[in-house]
Amino acid sequence: DIQMTQSPHSLSASLGETVSIECLASEGISNYLAWYQQKPGKSPQLLIYYASSLQDGVPSRFSGSGSGTQYSLKISNMQPEDEGVYYCQQGYKYPPTFGAGTKLELK
Amino acid sequence: EVQLVESGGGLVQPGRSLKLSCAASGFTFSNYYMAWVRQAPKKGLEWVATISTSGSRTYYPDSVKGRFTISRDNAKSSLYLQMNSLKSEDTATYYCARHGSNLWWYFDFWGPGTMVTVSS
Repeated sequence: DIQMTQSPHSLSASLGETVSIECLASEGISNYLAWYQQKPGKSPQLLIYYASSLQDGVPSRFSGSGSGTQYSLKISNMQPEDEGVYYCQQGYKYPPTFGAGTKLELK
Repeated sequence: EVQLVESGGGLVQPGRSLKLSCAASGFTFSNYYMAWVRQAPKKGLEWVATISTSGSRTYYPDSVKGRFTISRDNAKSSLYLQMNSLKSEDTATYYCARHGSNLWWYFDFWGPGTMVTVSS
């Protein structure tokens, strides 16, 4: 199975700050990478698919980039509602696998 | 508006069975692959099962293969997960999820989840 390693494990950001979350795949995944946000007590919500395509309704302050084995999620202009846990997931090879998550808090 | 609503969770003893259901609305259910994804308490996400549009193809990770069975009723826009020989490590919130694409696997809509607790 493809292993997905996220970093950092957790971080805190100030209002308006820009943050980045990294995701490293154990082998190349050809941009078949999705990012999800999960708020406390809620189900995950899709933010980004195919590494950089923004899901409908997701604010444009979220963006994704990367290629090969290295991918990142950038959140510009941090807002209170961006607090939560962020997961990456590869869909390149069966079975689909998720990263362990990155907890983002407002400082 | 796409809606997915799970039901059927609860407390069950190890070795017993439980069947989860997911009612879908707001989209043409029969056009989409569907999946179950679970999350153990305070843990990450784990894909559990996927079913093709017609139901003819099903997919499972090794952790549940042979114990769990995913199925669907396109006439009722419903998804199911039959869970047999349950273990304590199956304790989790189970989410019904829609595949965003039938070509590669990511999940664009999720239900609120149903909690399954396996304990004596």
